[in-house]
Amino acid sequence: GAGVSQTPSNKVTEKGKYVELRCDPISGHTALYWYRQSLGQGPEFLIYFQGTGAADDSGLPNDRFFAVRPEGSVSTLKIQRTERGDSAVYLCASSLNGFGGTEAFFGQGTRLTVV
Amino acid sequence: GDSVTQMEGPVTLSEEAFLTINCTYTATGYPSLFWYVQYPGEGLQLLLKATKADDKGSNKGFEATYRKETTSFHLEKGSVQVSDSAVYFCALSLQGAQKLVFGQGTRLTINP
Repeated sequence: GAGVSQTPSNKVTEKGKYVELRCDPISGHTALYWYRQSLGQGPEFLIYFQGTGAADDSGLPNDRFFAVRPEGSVSTLKIQRTERGDSAVYLCASSLNGFGGTEAFFGQGTRLTVV
Repeated sequence: GDSVTQMEGPVTLSEEAFLTINCTYTATGYPSLFWYVQYPGEGLQLLLKATKADDKGSNKGFEATYRKETTSFHLEKGSVQVSDSAVYFCALSLQGAQKLVFGQGTRLTINP
């Protein structure tokens, strides 16, 4: 596609449930990032993929959060046993090669609401 | 740790006014600096960037200069338009660390 695509755009789930959020990056971009944006705040880094491997997962808040990118393109962010505090907009971005200073292109995000 | 501090919003201006949104950073190395913009209903978009000290990034009439001595990257525009209404985020990335560190964002509203 022309840009970074994220699905679903909105997700409402009950506390304790499992959710998957999908990101389809720009074709040919080897670097993929997940961020979380709480209301009134800037995006916070979660995890960075270079190709199929997670090169930096230092931003994942705990072991309920996991992300994969098995073929080096589409990525899925998985959240187990969701909590109300997980409610936020989850942003995905991709860049051509991930080098510092390279432009990252963002999707429109998935708004997750845990009730 | 590395961080970005932005001028608190919201900021409301009249059309054709001069805009400054302050941004300062703390970083252990030599970061690249960015301004991202989020228009209503759209995703984050890169507005401009600067990768080394004294570089000036510019786009759509906006400018920002990388000031190492004051660790700042203030965003300026000489004459704002209603279409500039958006949320603006200052961010940094460190060489060798590909992630972006964002400020909290500044909501700008331009009235006709």
